[in-house]
Amino acid sequence: KQEVTQIPAALSVPEGENLVLNCSFTDSAIYNLQWFRQDPGKGLTSLLLIQSSQREQTSGRLNASLDKSSGRSTLYIAASQPGDSATYLCAAFNAGKSTFGDGTTLTVKP
Amino acid sequence: GAGVSQSPRYKVAKRGQDVALRCDPISGHVSLFWYQQALGQGPEFLTYFQNEAQLDKSGLPSDRFFAERPEGSVSTLKIQRTQQEDSAVYLCASSPGTDQGNSPLHFGNGTRLTVT
Repeated sequence: KQEVTQIPAALSVPEGENLVLNCSFTDSAIYNLQWFRQDPGKGLTSLLLIQSSQREQTSGRLNASLDKSSGRSTLYIAASQPGDSATYLCAAFNAGKSTFGDGTTLTVKP
Repeated sequence: GAGVSQSPRYKVAKRGQDVALRCDPISGHVSLFWYQQALGQGPEFLTYFQNEAQLDKSGLPSDRFFAERPEGSVSTLKIQRTQQEDSAVYLCASSPGTDQGNSPLHFGNGTRLTVT
């Protein structure tokens, strides 16, 4: 059974810092790995999707990497801003089924 | 364009009542997913549809939970004889393709169910 773990559970940084969020998964047989953002009381917004054959994806200040052999993905956020404050979740997808981590709650202080 | 729409936004049910939660996916999206999210946790997979076919319902926690998507668009998640442990946010998501390797999910804002 797939298990997804995200460390740390919470992170507080001053504005402008670069930071890394970690995601680990136990079963490397995945179709893709997705990173999402969730604001309080809202649904999830897809940030980046890395297919199983890819190593990384970039969108603006975000860069996500995938290492299937070690069961790890990282989300790198450059030059963090207060508007980046949210919970970030990763999810491993295999066919239609997905397993989510419990997220990292990020607070960026002005 | 319009995103994924879920209704109602909030639902309070007395223990033992039946509830029905609705999801309107993005028009033309083939795949539809239901998730249950407890406070402070990530979403837990419930079930997956491709058009009107329910391809995976392995995440439904009991036979009190039933989902349908009869015409391949709108979906309803029904919970019979609700229990307090059913209290959670129920999220719906859709994606345009059938290939889960290429299609990011689009989520609705969820229905918060409280069973008293």
